[in-house]
Amino acid sequence: GENVEQHPSTLSVQEGDSAVIKCTYSDSASNYFPWYKQELGKGPQLIIDIRSNVGEKKDQRIAVTLNKTAKHFSLHITETQPEDSAVYFCAASRGASGGSYIPTFGRGTSLIVHP
Amino acid sequence: SQTIHQWPATLVQPVGSPLSLECTVEGTSNPNLYWYRQAAGRGLQLLFYSVGIGQISSEVPQNLSASRPQDRQFILSSKKLLLSDSGFYLCAWNGAGVFNEQFFGPGTRLTVL
Repeated sequence: GENVEQHPSTLSVQEGDSAVIKCTYSDSASNYFPWYKQELGKGPQLIIDIRSNVGEKKDQRIAVTLNKTAKHFSLHITETQPEDSAVYFCAASRGASGGSYIPTFGRGTSLIVHP
Repeated sequence: SQTIHQWPATLVQPVGSPLSLECTVEGTSNPNLYWYRQAAGRGLQLLFYSVGIGQISSEVPQNLSASRPQDRQFILSSKKLLLSDSGFYLCAWNGAGVFNEQFFGPGTRLTVL
């Protein structure tokens, strides 16, 4: 099955700095890579995703890059703000039988942005 | 628009007691439904998923079970809770298809004493 490794487990930055979170995956058939943000006591929320036919995607201060050859993808947050503090999860998936979509999640990165 | 509900929000139960957590989705039909558990280490562990009424796939053997009695209702149950069942339980849904994002519910915090 798929295995997703996520690093670092904790990331502490100063407000205004950039933050980068990296993930690797093992299944070359994976073709969809979402990133979720989870605030304390809440369910994860999708913040950006990328498909295997694209190398980079950007949405304001957030960007994701994908290297299919190396099987790794990264989340980049620029000009970090205290409200970016949360746990971030990467995931990788491919279509499963019956049309279900079963992602494999990384273990999460706790991002702390100091004012 | 679609919404997903979970209840209760928090639950404290003694060891050996039964469990029933409920998840419902509004605004969509025939969703894929998922139960996850999140322990203190933050990782999301997939417990069950369902692609239709009465269709349940189990990812991890344990003393929990799931049922889908209606199209947009997903229930997580246990006959006898263990201390190790404590955690944050998340329900999620997505539409059929390969590239559909999952939408998560607000979660249920379960503490087994």
